[in-house]
Amino acid sequence: GIQVEQSPPDLILQEGANSTLRCNFSDSVNNLQWFHQNPWGQLINLFYIPSGTKQNGRLSATTVATERYSLLYISSSQTTDSGVYFCAAPNTGGFKTIFGAGTRLFVKA
Amino acid sequence: DTGVSQDPRHKITKRGQNVTFRCDPISEHNRLYWYRQTLGQGPEFLTYFQNEAQLEKSRLLSDRFSAERPKGSFSTLEIQRTEQGDSAMYLCASSILDTQYFGPGTRLTVL
Repeated sequence: GIQVEQSPPDLILQEGANSTLRCNFSDSVNNLQWFHQNPWGQLINLFYIPSGTKQNGRLSATTVATERYSLLYISSSQTTDSGVYFCAAPNTGGFKTIFGAGTRLFVKA
Repeated sequence: DTGVSQDPRHKITKRGQNVTFRCDPISEHNRLYWYRQTLGQGPEFLTYFQNEAQLEKSRLLSDRFSAERPKGSFSTLEIQRTEQGDSAMYLCASSILDTQYFGPGTRLTVL
């Protein structure tokens, strides 16, 4: 099945800094999602981005499907951005969604 | 609140007991997913429903686990003869197309 790898595993930022999170996937995908899990455990969908670039406020994401990676950009980070960021993609030929191990972000005030 | 809801939010049980969790998806969402998440890991897929049909089930879902979505609306996940290794957060998500919306989860602790 598809493998989804995220880097870095952990990230500490000073408030106001920018960061880039990476997601590599081992097979071609027609569906790539980014999620944020807040410190209370709630998973929030950030982007559905099988290809191209999308922006939502201080967050943007780019997926280069032909090279099998996606990037999540966080600009002017805030303490509320802390949590775990996951990317997820469907297994080839099925409905099973595979999540990466996540990037744990802590933004210091 | 029109989001995905799950009940109960927390469940503590003794090893060997049966437990059942409920998920109410966003209305009109025909797709429903169950996941399990342990500390420090990403969610692991358990099963997928499209309307009332269970179309995919993970090998993680042993014979002790069963899920239903009888009328294509709410879903239940039952774990029989719970084991300590079943302790985890059980998450439900729903969607119309590919964007999944998650509920708050049910945290299960097996003593």
